[in-house]
Formats: sequence, structure tokens, C-alpha cells
Amino acid sequence: DSGVTQTPKHLITATGQRVTLRCSPRSGDLSVYWYQQSLDQGLQFLIQYYNGEERAKGNILERFSAQQFPDLHSELNLSSLELGDSALYFCASSEDNTDTQYFGPGTRLTVL
Amino acid sequence: AQSVTQLGSHVSVSEGALVLLRCNYSSSVPPYLFWYVQYPNQGLQLLLKYTSAATLVKGINGFEAEFKKSETSFHLTKPSAHMRDAAEYFCAVSPSGGYQKVTFGIGTKLQVIP
Repeated sequence: DSGVTQTPKHLITATGQRVTLRCSPRSGDLSVYWYQQSLDQGLQFLIQYYNGEERAKGNILERFSAQQFPDLHSELNLSSLELGDSALYFCASSEDNTDTQYFGPGTRLTVL
Repeated sequence: AQSVTQLGSHVSVSEGALVLLRCNYSSSVPPYLFWYVQYPNQGLQLLLKYTSAATLVKGINGFEAEFKKSETSFHLTKPSAHMRDAAEYFCAVSPSGGYQKVTFGIGTKLQVIP
């Protein structure tokens, strides 16, 4: 158990819908990262937050957004969902950019 | 621009044999390199990372990797495979010392044959 929790574990929804994925980092970790893992695109870095502020952006679509709250949990919002958004979404946390990074178990999103 | 190429999407070794997982990188700046492991139905776990301090990097679970600039390689090795090493392994590169904007390889699935 990495100490990073993600909810829900599984999510099934329809095209055009909007969903919210939640991540709680390890106690004391200020950085949160989001990744997408799909069969056709592999593993991709989406976005990083540090202590409530966006720090780095990767291959995140405009339909996707994220935020980190004062209690340091983070949410990834996915809207106007398409079939191609079906993937595993991982959250990871670390104390800072270069400390050991810990991954959550992931949320499996299926868009029908 | 940066990228990594993992040679071999599937590798099979016998238990007790040498594990060698290949990774070549491309980076326009001195790279920071990582190896991650993903066990079935789990998230990734960092095995080791290279941040220019030493070319031979030792990680967890008996794995190590050697940075070879002349060959632009960062291959992962373990002298003796265990059944528990069966997993998927990802090589990754970052332009900075941290995890920002990391680019991952496609992954190599390691099968360990008893």
C-alpha cells in the first residue's frame, strides 16, 4: 500500500458525460501528479500540482482539468467524454519534485 | 524533445537467470532517467533513477541500471530473476531532476519461467 488513495476504483459512463476522479496523496506530500495509461497511447503525464498550484502540464486535453484543494487532495475532471478517453488514470504524490514518488492504485474509466 | 525506446515489449527469462531490459533515450538536454515497475492491477513503483550523480544506479529489489552516454542507453539488469519479478517495466526520461513532464516508454512485460 503506497498511501495514495484514489476513488472510485472503476467508473463506467457514456460518451458526452462528465466525471470527476479523486486522489488523496500520502500524508505530508505536497505534489500530486496525474497520469493516463491507455492501450494505444501508453502512459502519459497529464498534470502536476504543488501545494494547491499548477506546476507542470503535459499532454492534457482541454476537455480535462484538475485542481488541488487546501487539504491537498486533488480532483481530475474529464468532460465531453469520448470512447478514446477509456483508460486507467493514476495519481501519484511526492513531498516535492525530486523525492520518491508514490502511485495510487488507479481509476479505470470505461466510456461506452 | 525527448523520447525513450524500449526494445522488446515481452521478455522471458528462466528463474535464476540474468534479467536485461533495454532502454535507449533521446534528449536535447542532459537527461534524468527512471525505471518503474508495474505489478498486475497496481500502480507504478519507482525502481531507480539517474540524476547524473553516478553512472551505475542501484535500485530496489536487486535491480540496477547503467547510464551510458555514448550509447544513449540506460539498460536495467538483475543478476538472478525471481518469480516475483514478473511485471511490466517502464523506462522514462525527464528534462529536469523531477517527475515533471516525464516521457515513458511503451513498457516491457517480463515473464519469469520456473
